[in-house]
Amino acid sequence: QSVLTQPPSASGTPGQRVTISCSGSSSNIESNTVNWYQQFPGMAPKLLIYTNNQRPSGVPDRFSGSKSGTSASLAISGLQSDDEADYYCAAWDDSLTGHVVFGGGTKLTVL
Amino acid sequence: QVQLQESGPRLVKPSETLSLTCTVSGDSISTYYWTWIRQTPGKGLEWIGYIYYTGSANYNPSLESRVTIAVDTSKNQFSLNLSSLTAADTAVYYCARRHGSYSTFDIWGQGTMVTVSS
Repeated sequence: QSVLTQPPSASGTPGQRVTISCSGSSSNIESNTVNWYQQFPGMAPKLLIYTNNQRPSGVPDRFSGSKSGTSASLAISGLQSDDEADYYCAAWDDSLTGHVVFGGGTKLTVL
Repeated sequence: QVQLQESGPRLVKPSETLSLTCTVSGDSISTYYWTWIRQTPGKGLEWIGYIYYTGSANYNPSLESRVTIAVDTSKNQFSLNLSSLTAADTAVYYCARRHGSYSTFDIWGQGTMVTVSS
């Protein structure tokens, strides 16, 4: 059971806009920044969005992130077939001695 | 171009200690925080801990009693020791560079699959 809650799956057709949610609590998302990772089968995760809504160099502006209160969202516009991957959110959690927590991941299918 | 490469055994016996090394190339290890993350088969990601070049480390409370992360600046490497292994520790182990916030990992190794089995 992951500390951050994501829907296990999401889907869309090419060209559509899809959003993936990430729900947390006051000790993680509400008080710390959120990052998003994209992972293809057999590959290491790749940083997709950092500090809630910033894109690393090379990430298309079709990908965007937002945060409000104890939740965050990843939006993908102009969906493409090669966006089909697993997506994870992550944040620092202030509880105990402090630690990084991840969402359980969302498998995005492009129909 | 910064690259990270994990190395270590692929098969470890229950109750034994796993030792993995991450070699950093293209950058000095004395610049960032360095992290271990694992991913169990078919499941999500789990943060193990991070270390700074000074040796200061922070561990996941759920693993803290079994984990040690160390750094060797002379070799530009950092390492993971995980003791008292069980089948539940079977996973792909990644090393990564932390850059910015505590949960921002901008460069990852390719990962190494470790199986705990007798």
